[in-house]
Amino acid sequence: QVQLVESGGGVGQPGGSLRLSCAASGFTFSDYGMHWVRQAPGKGLEWVASVRFDGGNQYYADSVRGRFTISRDNSKNTLYLQMNNVKPEDTAVYFCAKASTYDILDYWGQGTLVTVSS
Amino acid sequence: DIVMTQSPDSLAVSLGERATINCKSSQSVLYSSNNKNYLAWYQQKPGQPPKLLIYWASTRESGVPDRFSGSGSGTDFTLTISSLRAEDVAVYYCQQYYDTPQTFGQGTKLEIK
Repeated sequence: QVQLVESGGGVGQPGGSLRLSCAASGFTFSDYGMHWVRQAPGKGLEWVASVRFDGGNQYYADSVRGRFTISRDNSKNTLYLQMNNVKPEDTAVYFCAKASTYDILDYWGQGTLVTVSS
Repeated sequence: DIVMTQSPDSLAVSLGERATINCKSSQSVLYSSNNKNYLAWYQQKPGQPPKLLIYWASTRESGVPDRFSGSGSGTDFTLTISSLRAEDVAVYYCQQYYDTPQTFGQGTKLEIK
């Protein structure tokens, strides 16, 4: 069965960096696009970034463009989100999600909490 | 960006009754070349990730009970739960995948009356 397990969350200081990982199993990772979606405490869902199946194209929300980098290692079945110059408004649970054909988010991980605070 | 607006923000329905949630997009999410609406519905229970319920506006994901149905086209969509069960208490989100960035509605909290 499809499993997505996020890690790397924790407390970061404003202006600092964090790196999230998402370990995938149960499907051919290199065949599918992957996304990061976040949810601030008590709030709704916000799409953050996506990467094509081969890592060739990356897309970002305006709120994170220039600060966050999405990448993947298909040899390790792992998705990453490098978060630089983090801000308090980046505080959220970060979910990785698998995209089916046509970019439908069909499987989600349990999420990892990122807290940005001094 | 395409703005997704759900109504109502919260809803209380009696067990066994029908629940209806609406979603409106700021522009059409119907792709003319394949006549498909790029609209999905997700269910999120407390402490859990979102779960895909419906895609292409009306196609149920495998394993989703048939009391859940989706309808609509273009800019106006509806999620209907035909006979509410206690386990359906959750927040429901609509989402468009027609364009990047993908965008979600603000969510509708469904409770038992």
